[in-house]
Amino acid sequence: GAVVSQHPSRVICKSGTSVKIECRSLDFQATTMFWYRQFPKQSLMLMATSNEGSKATYEQGVEKDKFLINHASLTLSTLTVTSAHPEDSSFYICSARTFLWDEQFFGPGTRLTVL
Amino acid sequence: DAKTTQPNSMESNEEEPVHLPCNHSTISGTDYIHWYRQLPSQGPEYVIHGLTSNVNNRMASLAIAEDRKSSTLILHRATLRDAAVYYCILPDSGGSNYKLTFGKGTLLTVNP
Repeated sequence: GAVVSQHPSRVICKSGTSVKIECRSLDFQATTMFWYRQFPKQSLMLMATSNEGSKATYEQGVEKDKFLINHASLTLSTLTVTSAHPEDSSFYICSARTFLWDEQFFGPGTRLTVL
Repeated sequence: DAKTTQPNSMESNEEEPVHLPCNHSTISGTDYIHWYRQLPSQGPEYVIHGLTSNVNNRMASLAIAEDRKSSTLILHRATLRDAAVYYCILPDSGGSNYKLTFGKGTLLTVNP
């Protein structure tokens, strides 16, 4: 299957700082990338959908000014958590697909801890 | 998007077949049935998908009922590495983004 990477895999930051998470499709061009959040013992929750070169579409209840998404190329999307607070601590996962495939390929996830 | 219903958990023994059921009684004629799984502390992994006919790949088989209101993911010989949460999803194909809505899935435990 296709490979999606995320960086960093784990990050610890202080409350009030911003954190950027990168998502890369390594062996295919991703026309669409998705960002999910997963709290402990819960399922994945879709945060936003981004198409290359377009503004991201956020799910209801997700603050677009707090979770900035940039999808500047067909292989890279970034999620920036601005002014992070302890309640933003979570497992953030990206996925990617192309219009040629029905399936999505997921990154390994980024564990964010805000102190 | 259509909803799916799965058992919360199932248990299997190593090297035995596993049949993971999924009900999707409100499925529409154009809805594909997708299965993903998530191992502990990892991102989900695509397993298989289908529309009407049964599907096989190197990981699993997907058996789809004739009325398409249910399907079964079949792992032919479970291994310890198959212990994961399995999600049965009908992607939202509105527009072209094919969004996935994850439910609670089925936690599969594989006993040695």
